[in-house]
Amino acid sequence: DGGITQSPKYLFRKEGQNVTLSCEQNLNHDAMYWYRQDPGQGLRLIYYSQIVNDFQKGDIAEGYSVSREKKESFPLTVTSAQKNPTAFYLCASSIQHRQGARGANVLTFGAGSRLTVL
Amino acid sequence: KQEVTQIPAALSVPEGENLVLNCSFTDSAIYNLQWFRQDPGKGLTSLLLIQSSQREQTSGRLNASLDKSSGRSTLYIAASQPGDSATYLCAPARGYQKVTFGTGTKLQVIP
Repeated sequence: DGGITQSPKYLFRKEGQNVTLSCEQNLNHDAMYWYRQDPGQGLRLIYYSQIVNDFQKGDIAEGYSVSREKKESFPLTVTSAQKNPTAFYLCASSIQHRQGARGANVLTFGAGSRLTVL
Repeated sequence: KQEVTQIPAALSVPEGENLVLNCSFTDSAIYNLQWFRQDPGKGLTSLLLIQSSQREQTSGRLNASLDKSSGRSTLYIAASQPGDSATYLCAPARGYQKVTFGTGTKLQVIP
């Protein structure tokens, strides 16, 4: 079945450590995204990538880094510079419209990774 | 900046009842609006996507409407079932990287 796989499902981190969350998709989608979800707040965009070897900052990129070396993979690193990293992290993907076409595509989400800082 | 409000924040209904979830947004210049379902501790599942040129979309017992000019969308659930219990999120979009999510309506359907 096609979909998005996020791992690990739960992750605990000590202060000062970097951690990397994995996101893999077999949907052949061009675009991939990382969102953060906190209680009582809507999802917030951390980073997104339209094509391989290219990615852009979202609304809350500080303290995070990403890479897009393969179309199917978009890992997120939560660095020690992120002051409040405890949250639920969601990866998503979508088919990319052709250049200049309007509209966002249907977003497909993974099951999420919950990061807790001890 | 787009702001999305979903009312009510929580809703509890008996099984079989028809219900309406509301979503309002401040920037009406959207390309489409998506409704999602989220179960506790899980990712989001797309339910319906309405393009800006459409007025409504239907899928099974779900019907979503869009009034772009007034910045409103509703999700209608017919004959609710306990399995419908989840949080429902609306997300108006203006481009693939400009999707704004509401905080959701938490629905509980009581058997």
